[in-house]
Amino acid sequence: SQQGEEDPQALSIQEGENATMNCSYKTSINNLQWYRQNSGRGLVHLILIRSNEREKHSGRLRVTLDTSKKSSSLLITASRAADTASYFCATDANYKLSFGAGTTVTVRA
Amino acid sequence: GAGVSQSPSNKVTEKGKDVELRCDPISGHTALYWYRQRLGQGLEFLIYFQGNSAPDKSGLPSDRFSAERTGESVSTLTIQRTQQEDSAVYLCASSLARVAGNGEQYFGPGTRLTVT
Repeated sequence: SQQGEEDPQALSIQEGENATMNCSYKTSINNLQWYRQNSGRGLVHLILIRSNEREKHSGRLRVTLDTSKKSSSLLITASRAADTASYFCATDANYKLSFGAGTTVTVRA
Repeated sequence: GAGVSQSPSNKVTEKGKDVELRCDPISGHTALYWYRQRLGQGLEFLIYFQGNSAPDKSGLPSDRFSAERTGESVSTLTIQRTQQEDSAVYLCASSLARVAGNGEQYFGPGTRLTVT
């Protein structure tokens, strides 16, 4: 079963705008990870935030984690056409990753 | 260095046939995972191998599914008597030995299985 649940399911923005997507989960976690998937194939790891961290940055990515609300957000700043992809959150509760259904982001030129 | 590779990249098979999917993990990665992704959906965990420990098969959807791994190298996922609902992309991932709080997985490009 999928533990993470992303919101919104789809997002369309203009190039240069910011994109924000959220993830909610149900059980305690060790860490939460965000992945990107292009063209329905392999996933690429973007960022990992541990359960004792509240915010993390990597380039144009900013991730927050609120364990009291069991939620996380991924912000992509100054979006580019190449950011068009599906984004998944994955919760790491033991050794297995539980993925949500993803947010499909379309960046319009 | 080389990433995770999978073969074949695409497989079309007739209902009832057996298929075998292969995964070559990153060298030195002791953990290996198989996932299934149906069209427009997230990833479903299938099975996990870690070193010489007994694999976690809790995600395998039926006894038609099985997987093997030779040591810390190649893994094969076998689906017997394929059904149309088995059509999906099968993704393999590997990672370093578990350390508390770490869990980044490196994914292969997947095998797209179509059962006709």
